[in-house]
Amino acid sequence: DAGVTQSPTHLIKTRGQQVTLRCSPKSGHDTVSWYQQALGQGPQFIFQYYEEEERQRGNFPDRFSGHQFPNYSSELNVNALLLGDSALYLCASSKDTQGGAFFGQGTRLTVV
Amino acid sequence: GEDVEQSLFLSVREGDSSVINCTYTDSSSTYLYWYKQEPGAGLQLLTYIFSNMDMKQDQRLTVLLNKKDKHLSLRIADTQTGDSAIYFCAEVFSGGYNKLIFGAGTRLAVHP
Repeated sequence: DAGVTQSPTHLIKTRGQQVTLRCSPKSGHDTVSWYQQALGQGPQFIFQYYEEEERQRGNFPDRFSGHQFPNYSSELNVNALLLGDSALYLCASSKDTQGGAFFGQGTRLTVV
Repeated sequence: GEDVEQSLFLSVREGDSSVINCTYTDSSSTYLYWYKQEPGAGLQLLTYIFSNMDMKQDQRLTVLLNKKDKHLSLRIADTQTGDSAIYFCAEVFSGGYNKLIFGAGTRLAVHP
């Protein structure tokens, strides 16, 4: 079992550009959540996908959007990038509402 | 409300016990988690406790939960240099599906 995998591991983008991050959940998991972790802070919840629908959302602007595919994998899209979007983006998978969210290694996004 | 607080830094000698503390606000949380993050890595699920438990032991790790005071602690016995990392406490927000609210993390430094 490969666990939760994310790609790419690192990314550098310019302000105003758009970015897509990808996540494959742990085998058997059907729920994918995305978190943003700024330097020196704890992860902040962006949104969660279940059955290909966004089920709940944190306090992030509409520039942040996502998608979940039939195989449960997910994408996070960020439009009109700002310098403040520079962070580690973490994907977590779980089995519906059961405890135990497992995290990937993250994608380090740098906006210049 | 959604808030988890942790002390920012803890330094211990190798072989001693470490105790990392956390307070949370959502009294309806079902699960509380401890995650470990090493430099440049994602979050590793260490252990968790269900809200109807007072204590959980898992090898060198002991979790204590005081629901009345909304206080959670993680004790690491016989702390090793490999335990040096940032430790995050997280609660499951009762108003959402497995949405995790994280503290800012406690940096544990283990010295000889």
